[in-house]
Amino acid sequence: GQQVMQIPQYQHVQEGEDFTTYCNSSTTLSNIQWYKQRPGGHPVFLIQLVKSGEVKKQKRLTFQFGEAKKNSSLHITATQTTDVGTYFCAGGSGGGADGLTFGKGTHLIIQP
Amino acid sequence: NAGVTQTPKFQVLKTGQSMTLQCAQDMNHEYMSWYRQDPGMGLRLIHYSVGAGITDQGEVPNGYNVSRSTTEDFPLRLLSAAPSQTSVYFCASSFSLGTNLEQFFGPGTRLTVL
Repeated sequence: GQQVMQIPQYQHVQEGEDFTTYCNSSTTLSNIQWYKQRPGGHPVFLIQLVKSGEVKKQKRLTFQFGEAKKNSSLHITATQTTDVGTYFCAGGSGGGADGLTFGKGTHLIIQP
Repeated sequence: NAGVTQTPKFQVLKTGQSMTLQCAQDMNHEYMSWYRQDPGMGLRLIHYSVGAGITDQGEVPNGYNVSRSTTEDFPLRLLSAAPSQTSVYFCASSFSLGTNLEQFFGPGTRLTVL
């Protein structure tokens, strides 16, 4: 079945440094979603990418979808303490929730 | 809108006990799902439903039952709890239109099985 690998598992940064997490799928995806989960909280949807090579920005966050639609990245510029949490990618194979495979997440730890 | 609600927030069970985790949504979403989250394992799909009266198995369905009698509710039943079912359980819902739509997650139920 479809597998979605996410790296790194943990990332420690100093406040103000940049952060990137990478997501790779074993199969071509129809789309990819990104979620953020604060410590003790629940996953919250950030964005969905659908097109090959697509790049979307949300303030300091930049999301990319690879040309082959098998990989994606999330980049945060100048991290802030509010960025602390776990970032998950979820690869879609089409259809509904049954076709969504989550990566294991990247835990972002920020040192002030 | 309350969004997706889950009860209880915390639960401790003894091995062999049964219980039902409740999930409700007020957004008229057709899709509803149950995930479990374990350290280092991410989110794994247990069961899902594409509409009232229709359910199907996800990646890790063993030990769990579901039913969907209404659009709003999607309870998850543990028939005979085992320590391996200690986890955080999230219910999620999404619209039916389009492809792999945004999922709205509930606050979670933290379950410990002794």
